[in-house]
Amino acid sequence: GQQLNQSPQSMFIQEGEDVSMNCTSSSIFNTWLWYKQDPGEGPVLLIALYKAGELTSNGRLTAQFGITRKDSFLNISASIPSDVGIYFCAGSARAGSYQLTFGKGTKLSVIP
Amino acid sequence: DGGITQSPKYLFRKEGQNVTLSCEQNLNHDAMYWYRQDPGQGLRLIYYSQIVNDFQKGDIAEGYSVSREKKESFPLTVTSAQKNPTAFYLCASSSQGRTEAFFGQGTRLTVV
Repeated sequence: GQQLNQSPQSMFIQEGEDVSMNCTSSSIFNTWLWYKQDPGEGPVLLIALYKAGELTSNGRLTAQFGITRKDSFLNISASIPSDVGIYFCAGSARAGSYQLTFGKGTKLSVIP
Repeated sequence: DGGITQSPKYLFRKEGQNVTLSCEQNLNHDAMYWYRQDPGQGLRLIYYSQIVNDFQKGDIAEGYSVSREKKESFPLTVTSAQKNPTAFYLCASSSQGRTEAFFGQGTRLTVV
């Protein structure tokens, strides 16, 4: 089946630094989603991307749908302690499809 | 408030017992899903349902069963046939034709 490789697996950064993480797929995706999960909670949708090359922001978060349609990037600017959590990418091969493939997550730790 | 409610938050069961996890949504979403999450892993799809009285197996359906008698409800039963049931279970829903899934807060099941 489809696989998503998400990197890095974990990262430790100083408060105020910018963060970048990415997901790559072995096949073309038509939709990319980025979620954040706090410990013991369900994932919360951060950003949804629908077109190759699309760049979308949500506050300090910016995500891009790769031109090849096989990758996506999430950047967090000026990190703060509440950014701590696990960030998941998810993709769908068909627009409007009910089936999502999830990456294994990037665990972000922010040092005050 | 609109949302997805999972209950209970924590559940303990003895090995060999069946257990049912509740998921209710008032978002008027057509599709509902059950995912399993293990430490350091992405989300794996157990079952999904696009309409009432219909559901399909996901990637790891063995040892689980579901029902969809009402649009708002999609309970998951973890049967004694599931070899390794201890995990964090997440319910999600999405509206028709949309890929974005919205998650409940999860149920942590521990089988002893």
